[in-house]
Amino acid sequence: EVQLVQSGAEVKKPGESLKISCKGSGYTFSLSWIAWVRQMPGKGLECLGIIYPGDSDTRYSPSFEGQVTISADKSINTAYLQWSGLKASDSAIYYCARLASGSRQAIDYWGQGTLVTVSS
Amino acid sequence: QSVLTQPPSASETPGQSVTISCSGSSSNIGRNNVYWYQQLPGTAPKLLIYKNNQRPSGVPDRFSGSKSGTSASLAIGGLRSEDEADYYCATWDDSLGGPVFGGGTKLTVL
Repeated sequence: EVQLVQSGAEVKKPGESLKISCKGSGYTFSLSWIAWVRQMPGKGLECLGIIYPGDSDTRYSPSFEGQVTISADKSINTAYLQWSGLKASDSAIYYCARLASGSRQAIDYWGQGTLVTVSS
Repeated sequence: QSVLTQPPSASETPGQSVTISCSGSSSNIGRNNVYWYQQLPGTAPKLLIYKNNQRPSGVPDRFSGSKSGTSASLAIGGLRSEDEADYYCATWDDSLGGPVFGGGTKLTVL
């Protein structure tokens, strides 16, 4: 069974750094793209970027380039999303998700989400 | 502003059918497969339809998907109260080089 298990909720202050994680199991982690998706309170889904754990090829959505860093460690089947200086506007639920097999596909499996709250 | 366009809301009575539309362009829906997700309150999205019209195991056949040109649709038949949720379409966008979403449609079962 494919599973993506994310790290727990975080409460941070503006300007602090943060790294959240997503551990995959039940499939060959290095062979599927992982996406990070943001959902702000009461809003829709936005893709921040994607990473191919096999070679760490990473692509950012234009709106998020330079705002976050996506990485992966295929040896421990884990992907990461990090910020170096959080803002209140980064408060949201962040999902990791697996892209379906084959090129140019969307998401087939989702993590449970990580709630990030940034408040002074 | 989402890349794909969905109506913000839809409503219908139990037992009836509803269709949710998703409009895109030649760089996304026109060239790639469409996926649909259901998001119940307080939960992660769940895959409903993949590759335009395929249902994962466990998804009732009341849910069906279709695609034509640069648009796609999700149809839900025999509506039940538990179908009240947000529904999102998604596909790959060749210009952006990644997956894109519709803004979501909130379905109310009256």
